[in-house]
Amino acid sequence: EVQLVESGGGWVQPGGSLRLSCAGSEFRFSKAWMAWVRQAPGKGLEWVANIKEDGTAENYVASVRGRFTISRDNAKNSVYLHMNSLRGEDTAVYYCARDAAYNKFDIWGQGTRVTVSS
Amino acid sequence: QSALTQPASVSGSPGQSVTISCTGTSRDVGAYHYVSWYQQKPGKAPKLIIYEVSKRPSGISSRFSGAKSGNTASLTISGLQAEDEGDYYCCTYMYGSTLEGPFGGGTKLTVL
Repeated sequence: EVQLVESGGGWVQPGGSLRLSCAGSEFRFSKAWMAWVRQAPGKGLEWVANIKEDGTAENYVASVRGRFTISRDNAKNSVYLHMNSLRGEDTAVYYCARDAAYNKFDIWGQGTRVTVSS
Repeated sequence: QSALTQPASVSGSPGQSVTISCTGTSRDVGAYHYVSWYQQKPGKAPKLIIYEVSKRPSGISSRFSGAKSGNTASLTISGLQAEDEGDYYCCTYMYGSTLEGPFGGGTKLTVL
């Protein structure tokens, strides 16, 4: 079954760090752009970052640039989101998604919840 | 703040048709044929229902259709069913960085 499975969410204090992981299966992971999309409680979808198939290019939404880093390990069919200097406004469910082409997100994980609070 | 503007809510009765608009600019919606739409049910991940303005992925009902005119894209759901209730998001592609990201703010569809 084609799927993405996220892990690594949890509770963290403001200023803290967290690493999210997303493992893909049953598709050519190494040939796909991958993205992280988040959704704050009661809010809409917000694109966070994406990474090129070979990891040589990354893009970020302005609000996380310099604090978050997206990376991937194609040997493990996995993409990661390293989150530093976390703020309350980063509280959200984080989804990883395959970007099949030009922001066509055709495969989504189930999401992992991140709560930033003291 | 979203790059694309959607109505906050729409509603319709079973069997009717509803249309959700998605307004961008000449740099995104108006510039590319890359508009996608996602359906999200409570507590679930979003699901792709339209891509490249009007194409449907395998398994998506033909009751869902997409179109674009100028800087505005639209999603039409015909023969409305109770199961269509949920949130709908449009998404576009824009070359280069953006402050807001590619998603619209979302529209809540209520089936009366």
